[in-house]
Amino acid sequence: DVKVTQSSRYLVKRTGEKVFLECVQDMDHENMFWYRQDPGLGLRLIYFSYDVKMKEKGDIPEGYSVSREKKERFSLILESASTNQTSMYLCASIFGSGGGSYEQYFGPGTRLTVT
Amino acid sequence: DAKTTQPNSMESNEEEPVHLPCNHSTISGTDYIHWYRQLPSQGPEYVIHGLTSNVNNRMASLAIAEDRKSSTLILHRATLRDAAVYYCILRALYNQGGKLIFGQGTELSVKP
Repeated sequence: DVKVTQSSRYLVKRTGEKVFLECVQDMDHENMFWYRQDPGLGLRLIYFSYDVKMKEKGDIPEGYSVSREKKERFSLILESASTNQTSMYLCASIFGSGGGSYEQYFGPGTRLTVT
Repeated sequence: DAKTTQPNSMESNEEEPVHLPCNHSTISGTDYIHWYRQLPSQGPEYVIHGLTSNVNNRMASLAIAEDRKSSTLILHRATLRDAAVYYCILRALYNQGGKLIFGQGTELSVKP
């Protein structure tokens, strides 16, 4: 079974702190994604990466950066956390170029609270 | 990716079949129909996908209309564990990067 794991299920941080969310997948997938999920807004794409050291902005990249130094690991960084970044963060991966015939695998999510 | 339309919510009784509809009238010929579900407090999980023919797997069946403008996810015997939000998503064959565009989905509740 494909496994996508996230470093924490729950995280509480203070405003202004630098926050790292880590994601690891064990199936040698090329493409990895970070989404955030908020009530009434659904899942929205923050960033994705299609190869090591490569990244693309998603729909809501402001306030976030990412790092992919190894194929299996994709990190989401909040440079200076703010209360409006309180959310559920979901990591995902997909095989190959991500074409329509492949399914995407998600991690369990990290619920981040910024106080 | 083309847009899909689903009912906001549906109810089912345990051990009865559930038919979750999805309309996608602007689907293109190379769009795959994917279904994902999200259980409470968990990440979404893949359920099933298809292109033209009906599909079955251990979780569900997918019935695709002949004109492909609609599809139905079928849970043959709903259990309490099937209570979740179900998302119908279209994925282009050459979908760049593989990102998913989620709508609001259908919230399925299952009564004992």
